[in-house]
Amino acid sequence: EAQVTQNPRYLITVTGKKLTVTCSQNMNHEYMSWYRQDPGLGLRQIYYSMNVEVTDKGDVPEGYKVSRKEKRNFPLILESPSPNQTSLYFCASSLTWDRSYEQYFGPGTRLTVT
Amino acid sequence: KQEVTQIPAALSVPEGENLVLNCSFTDSAIYNLQWFRQDPGKGLTSLLLIQSSQREQTSGRLNASLDKSSGRSTLYIAASQPGDSATYLCASLSGGYNKLIFGAGTRLAVHP
Repeated sequence: EAQVTQNPRYLITVTGKKLTVTCSQNMNHEYMSWYRQDPGLGLRQIYYSMNVEVTDKGDVPEGYKVSRKEKRNFPLILESPSPNQTSLYFCASSLTWDRSYEQYFGPGTRLTVT
Repeated sequence: KQEVTQIPAALSVPEGENLVLNCSFTDSAIYNLQWFRQDPGKGLTSLLLIQSSQREQTSGRLNASLDKSSGRSTLYIAASQPGDSATYLCASLSGGYNKLIFGAGTRLAVHP
Protein backbone atom coordinates (compact mmCIF):
# COMPACT_ATOMS: atom_id res chain seq x y z
CA GLU A 1 0.00 0.00 0.00
CA ALA A 2 1.31 3.42 -1.00
CA GLN A 3 1.74 5.49 2.12
CA VAL A 4 3.65 7.97 4.22
CA THR A 5 4.50 6.70 7.67
CA GLN A 6 5.63 8.62 10.73
CA ASN A 7 7.05 7.50 14.04
CA PRO A 8 6.33 7.93 16.80
CA ARG A 9 2.67 8.86 16.57
CA TYR A 10 2.65 10.32 20.07
CA LEU A 11 5.54 11.68 22.08
CA ILE A 12 5.80 13.45 25.41
CA THR A 13 9.22 14.80 26.24
CA VAL A 14 10.95 17.40 28.36
CA THR A 15 12.57 20.66 27.39
CA GLY A 16 16.04 20.25 25.93
CA LYS A 17 15.99 16.52 25.28
CA LYS A 18 16.90 15.92 21.65
CA LEU A 19 14.41 13.95 19.62
CA THR A 20 13.86 12.75 16.08
CA VAL A 21 10.57 12.16 14.32
CA THR A 22 10.95 9.80 11.40
CA CYS A 23 9.11 9.99 8.10
CA SER A 24 9.21 7.39 5.37
CA GLN A 25 7.38 7.01 2.06
CA ASN A 26 7.21 4.00 -0.23
CA MET A 27 6.15 5.77 -3.41
CA ASN A 28 9.60 6.73 -4.71
CA HIS A 29 8.70 10.40 -4.28
CA GLU A 30 11.36 13.00 -4.76
CA TYR A 31 9.69 15.81 -2.83
CA MET A 32 9.09 15.64 0.91
CA SER A 33 8.21 18.22 3.50
CA TRP A 34 7.24 18.79 7.11
CA TYR A 35 4.32 20.82 8.44
CA ARG A 36 3.11 21.66 11.89
CA GLN A 37 -0.51 22.23 12.79
CA ASP A 38 -1.52 24.52 15.63
CA PRO A 39 -4.95 25.72 16.74
CA GLY A 40 -5.71 29.10 15.25
CA LEU A 41 -2.61 29.02 13.03
CA GLY A 42 -3.43 26.10 10.77
CA LEU A 43 -0.78 24.13 8.94
CA ARG A 44 2.58 25.75 8.27
CA GLN A 45 5.55 24.37 6.42
CA ILE A 46 8.74 23.79 8.43
CA TYR A 47 11.21 22.37 5.91
CA TYR A 48 11.12 20.76 2.52
CA SER A 49 13.37 18.60 0.36
CA MET A 50 13.33 18.45 -3.41
CA ASN A 51 15.51 15.36 -3.54
CA VAL A 52 18.30 13.54 -1.76
CA GLU A 53 20.72 15.97 -0.12
CA VAL A 54 18.60 18.97 -1.19
CA THR A 55 16.71 20.65 1.64
CA ASP A 56 15.50 24.17 2.38
CA LYS A 57 13.60 26.15 4.97
CA GLY A 58 9.88 26.64 4.93
CA ASP A 59 7.99 29.28 6.85
CA VAL A 60 8.77 28.20 10.42
CA PRO A 61 12.17 26.46 10.47
CA GLU A 62 13.50 27.83 13.78
CA GLY A 63 14.37 25.09 16.23
CA TYR A 64 14.26 22.30 13.68
CA LYS A 65 16.74 20.42 11.52
CA VAL A 66 16.24 17.95 8.72
CA SER A 67 18.33 15.64 6.60
CA ARG A 68 17.67 13.71 3.42
CA LYS A 69 20.25 11.01 2.95
CA GLU A 70 17.92 8.52 1.33
CA LYS A 71 15.07 9.16 -1.02
CA ARG A 72 12.45 7.44 1.12
CA ASN A 73 13.31 9.01 4.50
CA PHE A 74 13.08 12.57 5.76
CA PRO A 75 13.56 12.80 9.53
CA LEU A 76 12.72 15.91 11.54
CA ILE A 77 15.17 16.66 14.32
CA LEU A 78 14.54 18.84 17.35
CA GLU A 79 17.95 19.41 18.91
CA SER A 80 16.65 21.18 22.02
CA PRO A 81 12.86 21.04 22.13
CA SER A 82 10.94 23.81 23.85
CA PRO A 83 7.28 24.00 24.94
CA ASN A 84 6.41 26.20 21.96
CA GLN A 85 7.19 23.22 19.74
CA THR A 86 4.27 21.34 21.22
CA SER A 87 2.23 20.67 18.11
CA LEU A 88 0.85 18.15 15.64
CA TYR A 89 3.44 17.38 12.97
CA PHE A 90 2.80 16.07 9.49
CA CYS A 91 5.15 14.74 6.88
CA ALA A 92 4.11 15.01 3.23
CA SER A 93 5.44 13.82 -0.10
CA SER A 94 4.78 14.18 -3.79
CA LEU A 95 6.26 12.66 -6.91
CA THR A 96 8.44 15.63 -7.73
CA TRP A 97 8.67 19.27 -6.77
CA ASP A 98 6.79 20.02 -10.00
CA ARG A 99 3.56 21.67 -9.01
CA SER A 100 1.34 19.33 -10.97
CA TYR A 101 1.37 16.56 -8.45
CA GLU A 102 -0.85 15.72 -5.55
CA GLN A 103 0.65 15.75 -2.07
CA TYR A 104 0.22 12.85 0.33
CA PHE A 105 0.34 13.25 4.08
CA GLY A 106 1.36 10.96 6.88
CA PRO A 107 -0.85 10.20 9.92
CA GLY A 108 0.74 12.87 12.10
CA THR A 109 2.88 12.93 15.23
CA ARG A 110 1.51 14.62 18.31
CA LEU A 111 4.38 16.09 20.28
CA THR A 112 4.13 17.52 23.77
CA VAL A 113 7.15 19.28 25.28
CA THR A 114 6.93 19.97 29.01
CA LYS B 1 1.27 36.78 0.39
CA GLN B 2 -1.34 34.13 -0.21
CA GLU B 3 -4.13 33.83 2.30
CA VAL B 4 -6.73 31.08 2.22
CA THR B 5 -10.07 31.42 3.96
CA GLN B 6 -12.73 28.80 4.48
CA ILE B 7 -16.35 29.50 5.24
CA PRO B 8 -18.19 28.33 7.22
CA ALA B 9 -15.91 27.29 10.07
CA ALA B 10 -18.40 24.67 11.17
CA LEU B 11 -21.46 23.09 9.65
CA SER B 12 -24.02 20.65 10.98
CA VAL B 13 -26.49 19.04 8.59
CA PRO B 14 -28.90 16.13 8.56
CA GLU B 15 -28.00 13.07 6.59
CA GLY B 16 -28.90 13.22 2.90
CA GLU B 17 -28.38 16.92 2.36
CA ASN B 18 -26.30 18.26 -0.48
CA LEU B 19 -23.82 20.80 0.80
CA VAL B 20 -21.20 23.26 -0.35
CA LEU B 21 -17.98 24.17 1.40
CA ASN B 22 -16.29 27.39 0.37
CA CYS B 23 -12.63 28.27 -0.01
CA SER B 24 -11.29 31.66 -1.09
CA PHE B 25 -7.74 32.74 -1.81
CA THR B 26 -6.19 36.15 -2.26
CA ASP B 27 -3.56 35.43 -4.93
CA SER B 28 -5.15 34.19 -8.14
CA ALA B 29 -1.76 33.08 -9.52
CA ILE B 30 -2.12 29.60 -8.09
CA TYR B 31 -0.69 26.44 -9.61
CA ASN B 32 -3.27 24.12 -8.13
CA LEU B 33 -5.73 23.74 -5.30
CA GLN B 34 -6.13 20.62 -3.21
CA TRP B 35 -8.95 19.56 -0.92
CA PHE B 36 -8.21 17.36 2.08
CA ARG B 37 -10.18 15.59 4.73
CA GLN B 38 -8.90 15.37 8.31
CA ASP B 39 -10.43 12.99 10.83
CA PRO B 40 -9.78 13.52 14.55
CA GLY B 41 -6.42 12.10 15.54
CA LYS B 42 -5.60 11.17 11.98
CA GLY B 43 -3.69 12.56 9.07
CA LEU B 44 -4.83 14.42 6.00
CA THR B 45 -6.45 12.45 3.23
CA SER B 46 -6.29 13.99 -0.21
CA LEU B 47 -9.73 14.24 -1.80
CA LEU B 48 -9.31 16.20 -5.01
CA LEU B 49 -6.60 18.13 -6.81
CA ILE B 50 -7.55 20.83 -9.31
CA GLN B 51 -4.87 22.17 -11.59
CA SER B 52 -4.93 25.87 -12.40
CA SER B 53 -5.98 25.09 -15.98
CA GLN B 54 -8.99 23.06 -14.82
CA ARG B 55 -12.42 24.23 -13.74
CA GLU B 56 -13.52 21.20 -11.75
CA GLN B 57 -12.76 17.70 -10.59
CA THR B 58 -15.09 14.92 -9.50
CA SER B 59 -14.66 11.86 -7.36
CA GLY B 60 -17.74 9.90 -6.40
CA ARG B 61 -20.07 12.17 -4.44
CA LEU B 62 -17.50 14.94 -4.34
CA ASN B 63 -17.12 17.72 -6.86
CA ALA B 64 -14.65 20.55 -6.54
CA SER B 65 -14.65 23.66 -8.70
CA LEU B 66 -12.06 26.35 -9.20
CA ASP B 67 -12.55 29.93 -10.33
CA LYS B 68 -9.19 31.63 -10.36
CA SER B 69 -10.52 34.99 -11.48
CA SER B 70 -12.71 35.31 -8.41
CA GLY B 71 -10.26 33.53 -6.11
CA ARG B 72 -12.72 30.84 -5.10
CA SER B 73 -13.08 27.10 -4.92
CA THR B 74 -16.04 25.10 -3.72
CA LEU B 75 -16.36 21.52 -2.59
CA TYR B 76 -19.76 20.04 -3.24
CA ILE B 77 -20.77 16.94 -1.30
CA ALA B 78 -23.83 15.15 -2.60
CA ALA B 79 -26.16 13.14 -0.43
CA SER B 80 -24.13 13.60 2.74
CA GLN B 81 -23.65 10.67 5.13
CA PRO B 82 -22.58 10.47 8.79
CA GLY B 83 -19.28 9.03 7.58
CA ASP B 84 -18.58 12.36 5.88
CA SER B 85 -18.19 13.99 9.28
CA ALA B 86 -14.67 15.40 9.44
CA THR B 87 -12.74 18.63 8.97
CA TYR B 88 -12.28 19.65 5.35
CA LEU B 89 -9.24 21.69 4.41
CA CYS B 90 -8.42 23.44 1.19
CA ALA B 91 -4.86 24.34 0.28
CA SER B 92 -3.44 26.37 -2.56
CA LEU B 93 -0.06 26.00 -4.13
CA SER B 94 1.06 29.36 -5.46
CA GLY B 95 4.74 29.93 -5.29
CA GLY B 96 7.65 28.45 -3.51
CA TYR B 97 8.57 24.86 -4.00
CA ASN B 98 5.37 22.93 -3.49
CA LYS B 99 4.46 24.79 -0.34
CA LEU B 100 0.77 24.43 0.38
CA ILE B 101 -1.04 27.33 2.02
CA PHE B 102 -3.91 25.94 4.04
CA GLY B 103 -7.22 27.37 5.11
CA ALA B 104 -8.36 26.90 8.68
CA GLY B 105 -10.86 24.25 7.64
CA THR B 106 -14.58 23.60 7.85
CA ARG B 107 -15.68 21.18 10.55
CA LEU B 108 -18.58 19.17 9.18
CA ALA B 109 -20.98 17.10 11.25
CA VAL B 110 -23.58 15.00 9.45
CA HIS B 111 -26.17 13.61 11.83
CA PRO B 112 -28.51 10.68 11.15
